[in-house]
This record gives sequence, C-alpha cells and structure tokens, in this order.
Amino acid sequence: KAGVTQTPRYLIKTRGQQVTLSCSPISGHRSVSWYQQTPGQGLQFLFEYFSETQRNKGNFPGRFSGRQFSNSRSEMNVSTLELGDSALYLCASSFGSNTEAFFGQGTRLTVV
Amino acid sequence: QQQVKQSPQSLIVQKGGIPIINCAYENTAFDYFPWYQQFPGKGPALLIAIRPDVSEKKEGRFTISFNKSAKQFSLHIMDSQPGDSATYFCAASDGPSGSRLTFGEGTQLTVNP
Repeated sequence: KAGVTQTPRYLIKTRGQQVTLSCSPISGHRSVSWYQQTPGQGLQFLFEYFSETQRNKGNFPGRFSGRQFSNSRSEMNVSTLELGDSALYLCASSFGSNTEAFFGQGTRLTVV
Repeated sequence: QQQVKQSPQSLIVQKGGIPIINCAYENTAFDYFPWYQQFPGKGPALLIAIRPDVSEKKEGRFTISFNKSAKQFSLHIMDSQPGDSATYFCAASDGPSGSRLTFGEGTQLTVNP
C-alpha cells in the first residue's frame, strides 16, 4: 500500500511569491492534515480537511490556505511568502475518526 | 495555549540501554497520545499511541506509560540499538484520532554502539 505522497520534495521561492504544495493521502484515507516544522517552533498544526471540508484550523495567518478534492488529495497554498515561511511542510492522512495519522516525507520550502 | 512539554531535549545512551522520554500536558480534553520517530530528511513515523483509559501499552521494544492524574506520559525503548538514533516526538490530540496534533519539542536520541 503506497504511503502519503507529497510533491514537490523541495522548493525555492522568492519573498512575495506564492506557492502550492500537494499531498496524496493513503488510498481510502479521507482526512488530510497539514503541519509546519521549523527548528524554532517545532511541529505546528496548520489545518485539517475531511471530505473536502476544513474541519480544524491552527493559529496561522490567512496567507496559509488549503483545499481538498473529491479524491481526498489536498493542496496547501501560501501567498505573499515571507522569509519565516521557510520550513518543512508535512502532510498526514488518516482514515477518519479514531484512527492513526501517517505522515508523508514533507516538502522543504526555502524562501529567499 | 494548549501545550505539550517534552524532556529531555537530547539523550545519549549505550546500546542495550533503556532511554526514557517524558511528556506532560495541560489540556484535560486531550484523549489521544501518539509517539512519533523522525529520521533526518524524513517525515515523522508513528511508533505507538495510547488513550487515557489505559495506563501502559507495549509494542515490540516500545512502551508507553500513562499517568492520567499527573497528566504525564512517557516512552521507554527497551534494548536500544544504534538504529534507534532519531528524534522522538510526543503528541496529543483532542480531536478525532490523529488530527489537530499538538507536538512536544522533540528529543534527539543517540544510541552509541
């Protein structure tokens, strides 16, 4: 069974640009969550989508947004990039309520 | 803010030793407590998880001990091996399963041969 797939693995963007990251969950999983990992702040929850609806949202500015498609694939968008947005962005999928979350390998975003 | 405090920040043990990593939480609404292992360049991998109605859970060489009254839980790694050298994160959730996880700061474990 294929794991969670995140693309691209690496990205370099310029300050002020926008970026879209993609996540394909494990087949059959309906919940997709996004996390930001930085050396200073650690792992922080961004948002969660379930059946195409945002179910939970973390404490991040509105520049961070996401969506989920009918096939459960999810995208995350960051607009007006700032240097501080440089991080490893991780996607996790789970089947639904009360099941474990499995992480992808992440997308390493560098903002210059 | 909901927080999970993890200690120690780093830990060095000899092969065969039993490293112990501790976590404490504040939010009594947390009802799911997983541990993740992360190697450099990889995403976190789920090791083991526990719910508050159980005081201990074992899976292979990994054991979680849970103290609901103290709001603390810990990970023990039996017969540690150099291949266990990684960063370990505890987490907690008050949402469905593994969603909306609040993570600890991480513990960098080194197991020397």
